[in-house]
Amino acid sequence: QKEVEQNSGPLSVPEGAIASLNCTYSDRGSQSFFWYRQYSGKSPELIMSIYSNGDKEDGRFTAQLNKASQYVSLLIRDSQPSDSATYLCAVVNSGYSTLTFGKGTMLLVSP
Amino acid sequence: SQTIHQWPATLVQPVGSPLSLECTVEGTSNPNLYWYRQAAGRGLQLLFYSVGIGQISSEVPQNLSASRPQDRQFILSSKKLLLSDSGFYLCAWRDSNRVYGYTFGSGTRLTVV
Repeated sequence: QKEVEQNSGPLSVPEGAIASLNCTYSDRGSQSFFWYRQYSGKSPELIMSIYSNGDKEDGRFTAQLNKASQYVSLLIRDSQPSDSATYLCAVVNSGYSTLTFGKGTMLLVSP
Repeated sequence: SQTIHQWPATLVQPVGSPLSLECTVEGTSNPNLYWYRQAAGRGLQLLFYSVGIGQISSEVPQNLSASRPQDRQFILSSKKLLLSDSGFYLCAWRDSNRVYGYTFGSGTRLTVV
């Protein structure tokens, strides 16, 4: 059973702070990893992808991957109230056909 | 550019009634297509996926079925809905030649009463 684990939260941070979201996965063969943002009542939106160990930065977002530890994280710098959403970690399964999603971490950014 | 359409947006159906949800993708060919369900307070559960016309893989045995009658059309069906079928149904696609993340449709919120 391939699993992706995330803390459900909520993670509460003040506006302007750094939000750190974490994810672990069980499938050692996984090579591709994604972060989705889901606003309440809406469908998930892809915000970051990462395929190699290390950091990948895109604007205020940084994804970090450590395959040896089977760990993926997402940092959001200068958090804004509009970042308040549930963040889903997703991992491509070894057969490359499907994604397994974590249950998501709710982020609340207070003004 | 590619777009994904999913309808209806909301649906209220009585127990025992049939279901048909449709999803179409534009601007690409031979996409991988997926149906997910998100129940209240739960994660995304993969129901079905398809890598080509007429090919369906089922991840969860239940009273739902899926079909892919055309390259860019994916249909989720049920003959008799159960209360437990309530949830947020999401169709998604990705390019079959690239390991990108999925793009989701806007979803159908189904309430079985």
